[in-house]
Amino acid sequence: AQSVSQHNHHVILSEAASLELGCNYSYGGTVNLFWYVQYPGQHLQLLLKYFSGDPLVKGIKGFEAEFIKSKFSFNLRKPSVQWSDTAEYFCAVNEPGGYQKVTFGIGTKLQVIP
Amino acid sequence: NAGVTQTPKFRVLKTGQSMTLLCAQDMNHEYMYWYRQDPGMGLRLIHYSVGEGTTAKGEVPDGYNVSRLKKQNFLLGLESAAPSQTSVYFCASSYITEAFFGQGTRLTVV
Repeated sequence: AQSVSQHNHHVILSEAASLELGCNYSYGGTVNLFWYVQYPGQHLQLLLKYFSGDPLVKGIKGFEAEFIKSKFSFNLRKPSVQWSDTAEYFCAVNEPGGYQKVTFGIGTKLQVIP
Repeated sequence: NAGVTQTPKFRVLKTGQSMTLLCAQDMNHEYMYWYRQDPGMGLRLIHYSVGEGTTAKGEVPDGYNVSRLKKQNFLLGLESAAPSQTSVYFCASSYITEAFFGQGTRLTVV
């Protein structure tokens, strides 16, 4: 079965610091990869996604992620975080073709200090 | 379009009571899911459905039942609620691309 690992469970940064959140998945074949964000008290929203093509994906609010197939990784980055980025971030994977079940990582809570 | 709508948004149950959470989507998605979210445990899949009339167990199905009688609706039932089922429940639907989530239902079992 597919599994997703997020290594940082709780990250605290000051505003303007750079962010990198790690995500690794277990499936060896072709995958679709996602990062979702959950702001306090809200539902999950899609931040960015990778299906194919350029492994560097740009999403909303200045976030980007890089797919490295050889490392089974899809790390999320942002050069300069803002207080409004305080949220929980979830990496997710699904396998294209056939039925599609999205598998989520455990999530990383990001706290940005003004 | 409303997207994915969950009802109710909040509920308090007494141990042993039953209830049904309703999820409705208007995107004609085949796949629908129920997750629970607990502090430090992320999202865990309870049950899912790959189409009308089909359901399957996820990671944590015990104590829950589901039905998908209509493509647009996915119901999650708790027959006899337990305090361990206190959680935030999210419904989601997907097609080929990303999953779309409802606003969540905060359930407290006392």
